[in-house]
Amino acid sequence: GQQVQQSPTSLVLQEGENAELQCNFSTSLNSMQWFYQRPGGSLVSVFYNPSGTKQSGRLTSTTVIKERRSSLHISSSQITDSGTYLCAPTSGGNYKPTFGKGTSLVVHP
Amino acid sequence: DMKVTQMPRYLIKRMGENVLLECGQDMSHETMYWYRQDPGLGLQLIYISYDVDSNSEGDIPKGYRVSRKKREHFSLILDSAKTNQTSVYFCASSLIPGTANSDYTFGSGTRLLVI
Repeated sequence: GQQVQQSPTSLVLQEGENAELQCNFSTSLNSMQWFYQRPGGSLVSVFYNPSGTKQSGRLTSTTVIKERRSSLHISSSQITDSGTYLCAPTSGGNYKPTFGKGTSLVVHP
Repeated sequence: DMKVTQMPRYLIKRMGENVLLECGQDMSHETMYWYRQDPGLGLQLIYISYDVDSNSEGDIPKGYRVSRKKREHFSLILDSAKTNQTSVYFCASSLIPGTANSDYTFGSGTRLLVI
């Protein structure tokens, strides 16, 4: 099955700094989705990017299928960006998503 | 307001008791999911349902079963709960998974403690 590795495990930033989150997956994929989770909270989809580079506001995602990796770049981080970011590639004909263990982001003022 | 509703939010059960976790969605999504989330293990897929009575095992189905008799409702059942089933359970729904319009929506989770 699909194996997913996210790095770094945790990241601490000062407000205004940029964050680069990585997601590596083991098999070819149909899609790649990034989710955000507040501590103790539910998950919210923040990005859908099966290939190439896409930008939405301060978020930029790049997925390179051949290299089996996806990244999420957060520019000018804000305190409200704090939380856990999980990537979820979907592969196979049954489209079952597999979640990484996440990157915990803490942004200090 | 489009959402996925999970009931109950918190639940304490004794080992050996049966547990029913309920999930509802008001978006007419075809696909629904049950996950559990544990520290260090991340989010693991228990079952996926592609529509009414069309359920498929996820990565960790042992000890669980599901029921989907209506498109908007998906239940997770633990027959004779075990202490290692203590976890946070998330329900989610989506349109056609793996597409730009998948519209993944998660519930707020049910925190289950089995003692």
